[in-house]
Amino acid sequence: QQQVKQSPQSLIVQKGGIPIINCAYENTAFDYFPWYQQFPGKGPALLIAIRPDVSEKKEGRFTISFNKSAKQFSLHIMDSQPGDSATYFCAGGSSGSARQLTFGSGTQLTVLP
Amino acid sequence: DAGVIQSPRHEVTEMGQEVTLRCKPISGHDYLFWYRQTMMRGLELLIYFNNNVPIDDSGMPEDRFSAKMPNASFSTLKIQPSEPRDSAVYFCASSLYGGGTDEQFFGPGTRLTVL
Repeated sequence: QQQVKQSPQSLIVQKGGIPIINCAYENTAFDYFPWYQQFPGKGPALLIAIRPDVSEKKEGRFTISFNKSAKQFSLHIMDSQPGDSATYFCAGGSSGSARQLTFGSGTQLTVLP
Repeated sequence: DAGVIQSPRHEVTEMGQEVTLRCKPISGHDYLFWYRQTMMRGLELLIYFNNNVPIDDSGMPEDRFSAKMPNASFSTLKIQPSEPRDSAVYFCASSLYGGGTDEQFFGPGTRLTVL
């Protein structure tokens, strides 16, 4: 019930491409869906997050699309750059809950120059 | 603020030895988390503290693992005795309010290798 399933495990795109990372959740109590970005040798850092009251959130080149009925959400990176090469984790969380974030398994993104 | 500080950054030890990982959270953050990251299992929450009190240690894999938070600015994760399967990157993170919707700030991690 707590699982967040993430795909693909790895992704390679050319510079300027639009990589898409998908996540699916099971727990209907989740009402907060962040994406964390992790560069090699660093800890994950919050990139962008969405609440289920909207279907899309955009911050710069990063967009989260959210489908509440399907219990799925995805990260799109517009005009991807080699500097976006990192591991991306989706997660689910519940407000008013003592439970902490449940992370997906991660997607290793490589953007070729 | 310097962010979450972890030490050591790298640790190589032999099977059976005791390993102690250290963490200093961001000042003022009430929640502290310990995670383990491996290729096979991804990012796993081991334990978290609220105001220095352990709240949920259900992710601690075995009794060989223990964690303490003697004060608001320091926490340790200890493995005794260590085994090769404990090799992983261990992250400490802190957050202001905790719960499932608060941003967690991660440290740089400790890469542990058990030979």
